[in-house]
Amino acid sequence: EVQLVQSGAEVKKPGESLRISCKASGYDFTNNWITWVRQMPGKGLEWVARIDPSDSYTNYSPSFRGRVTISADKSISTAHLQWSSLKASDTALYYCARLSWPSKVRIDSWGQGTLVTVSS
Amino acid sequence: QSALSQPASVSGSPGQSITVSCTGSSSDIGLYNYVSWYQQHPGRAPKLLIYDVVNRPSGVSNRFSGSKSGNTASLTISGLQAEDEAAYYCSSYSGSATLYVFGSGTEVTVL
Repeated sequence: EVQLVQSGAEVKKPGESLRISCKASGYDFTNNWITWVRQMPGKGLEWVARIDPSDSYTNYSPSFRGRVTISADKSISTAHLQWSSLKASDTALYYCARLSWPSKVRIDSWGQGTLVTVSS
Repeated sequence: QSALSQPASVSGSPGQSITVSCTGSSSDIGLYNYVSWYQQHPGRAPKLLIYDVVNRPSGVSNRFSGSKSGNTASLTISGLQAEDEAAYYCSSYSGSATLYVFGSGTEVTVL
C-alpha cells in the first residue's frame, strides 16, 4: 500500500525557518516524482513544486519560486519542503503527494497534510 | 484566484444525479486530456476519483463519471448518496509554467 506520512503541525514566528517532511513507503521512491500542494484556510488547492527523487531535478510554480525549496533524500525515501524566512501569508495546510508514473500528469496519492501556522 | 473555475456549491437529493463543471483554457483543459477530479471530506486529504478525463481508479464507485468538451470538464455523480457530501476539485496538467492547475472547489450538499 502506498503511504505518504507527513511531519506534524508547526507553529512559527515570521522570519523563522522551517522544514517539513514527507516519508514515502509501499513503492520504489525513485520511480515517482513527489509534489507539494498548498491549501490556505478555507481556500482551494495550489501547486507549489515537484521533484524527481532519483536525481533531485526540480520544477517550481512561478508563484512559489524563490520562496520555498523542495528536496528529497532517496536513502530514506523522504521529501522535504523548506522556508528560510516565513511570512504570515505562508500559513496553510501543505500536502505532499505522488505524481503518476510514468506520465507525471496527475497526483495519484496524497499525504495527510502538515498545518503550518506563522504568527507573531 | 484559481486557474480553473468551478461553481461554489451544487446540491441534490438522494438518488438524483448532479454535475459539477470545471472551466479552464486552451492551455490546460483544452490542450490535454489530463483532467483529474478529487474528493475531499472535511479534515481529510483529497482522494483521486477520476483521471485522464474519464477513467476511475480501482475501488472508486462507477456512480462517478467524467467528461470533457472544449475547455470545460465535468464530473457527474449519479445515485447521489449522503457519503458523497464533500468538496470536489478538478485539476489539469497545463502547458504553462504552472504545470498543475486546480479548480476553486465545489461543495456538494446532499439535501
